[in-house]
Amino acid sequence: DSGVTQTPKHLITATGQRVTLRCSPRSGDLSVYWYQQSLDQGLQFLIQYYNGEERAKGNILERFSAQQFPDLHSELNLSSLELGDSALYFCASSPRTSGRGAQYFGPGTRLLVL
Amino acid sequence: GNSVTQMEGPVTLSEEAFLTINCTYTATGYPSLFWYVQYPGEGLQLLLKATKADDKGSNKGFEATYRKETTSFHLEKGSVQVSDSAVYFCALSPTGNTPLVFGKGTRLSVIA
Repeated sequence: DSGVTQTPKHLITATGQRVTLRCSPRSGDLSVYWYQQSLDQGLQFLIQYYNGEERAKGNILERFSAQQFPDLHSELNLSSLELGDSALYFCASSPRTSGRGAQYFGPGTRLLVL
Repeated sequence: GNSVTQMEGPVTLSEEAFLTINCTYTATGYPSLFWYVQYPGEGLQLLLKATKADDKGSNKGFEATYRKETTSFHLEKGSVQVSDSAVYFCALSPTGNTPLVFGKGTRLSVIA
């Protein structure tokens, strides 16, 4: 158990819909990262937040957005969903200092768009 | 830019065989290097890490040495078990608190 929690574990929805994925980082970790894992694209970095502020952006679509709240939990919002958005979405967190880059992953949310 | 290349799978081994999964990287500066493991239906678990040249990371019988001269971080285990069947990802972090750059993953199947 990494200490990172994600809800829901599974999500089934239809094209055109909007969903919200939630992540709680390990206690004391200020950075939260979102990754998408699909069969054809592998693990892709989407976005990073550090203590409430957006820190880095990767291959995140304009239909997707995220935020980190004062209690440090984060939400990833996916809208106008398409079949190709079906994937595993992982959240990870990292320590404030030290760790030299180590990130701890949650169990993921499996999204299926029908 | 930063990138990670790891050997394509799947890799199928018999129990107690020796395992090597090759990983090479391209990065500016001195990145940290990681191996993550993903068991079926689960998230990624940090298996081991190395933060500077010649460091050896080890955990659960797995080892990897940070070789700056060959820009490599190969994963090895002397005797694999069926329970080691999983997908293994090599990754680098250019600096602390930055996104990880992952390789494509190598699926390992160990048969009894």
